[in-house]
Amino acid sequence: AQSVTQPDIHITVSEGASLELRCNYSYGATPYLFWYVQSPGQGLQLLLKYFSGDTLVQGIKGFEAEFKRSQSSFNLRKPSVHWSDAAEYFCAVGADFGNEKLTFGTGTRLTIIP
Amino acid sequence: DSGVTQTPKHLITATGQRVTLRCSPRSGDLSVYWYQQSLDQGLQFLIQYYNGEERAKGNILERFSAQQFPDLHSELNLSSLELGDSALYFCASSALAGRTDTQYFGPGTRLTVL
Repeated sequence: AQSVTQPDIHITVSEGASLELRCNYSYGATPYLFWYVQSPGQGLQLLLKYFSGDTLVQGIKGFEAEFKRSQSSFNLRKPSVHWSDAAEYFCAVGADFGNEKLTFGTGTRLTIIP
Repeated sequence: DSGVTQTPKHLITATGQRVTLRCSPRSGDLSVYWYQQSLDQGLQFLIQYYNGEERAKGNILERFSAQQFPDLHSELNLSSLELGDSALYFCASSALAGRTDTQYFGPGTRLTVL
């Protein structure tokens, strides 16, 4: 069965600094990978997704993620964070045909300090 | 705004009671997914419907049931409620049922069982 690990429960970053959120997955075949963001009291918004092709994926709000098969990782990055980026970030892996559920990591809470 | 609507936004009820959560998918989307987000279990897939038919089941309790109606809206029924059922319940929808289809999430229904 597929699984996702987000090793960092909480990260604090200064506004304007760079950000990297870690995600490791376990899946037997080529994974379909996603990053979602959840702002307080809000639903989940898709930031970006990887299905195939270029391993560096661009998303919304200036985020990007890099798929590294050798490391089973799909880390999320942003060169310069804004106060509005404070939220909870979830990495997810898609499953097989016939069961298209998403398996989510436990999330990383991002705090931005001025 | 993802285009997925969920009602009600908040629900407070007592143990042993039954509630119904409603989800309207994005216009034209055929798949509906239900997820539960709780502090101890994180984000867990419950069940998926595609064009009115159950397609996949996850960690859904026997006390819970769901259905998708001909107009494609979906309802999640939770009965014999326990304190541990308190959680945020998300509905998501996607155009079809493929692995590459993006799931768009609603704002969630927060259920509190007292």
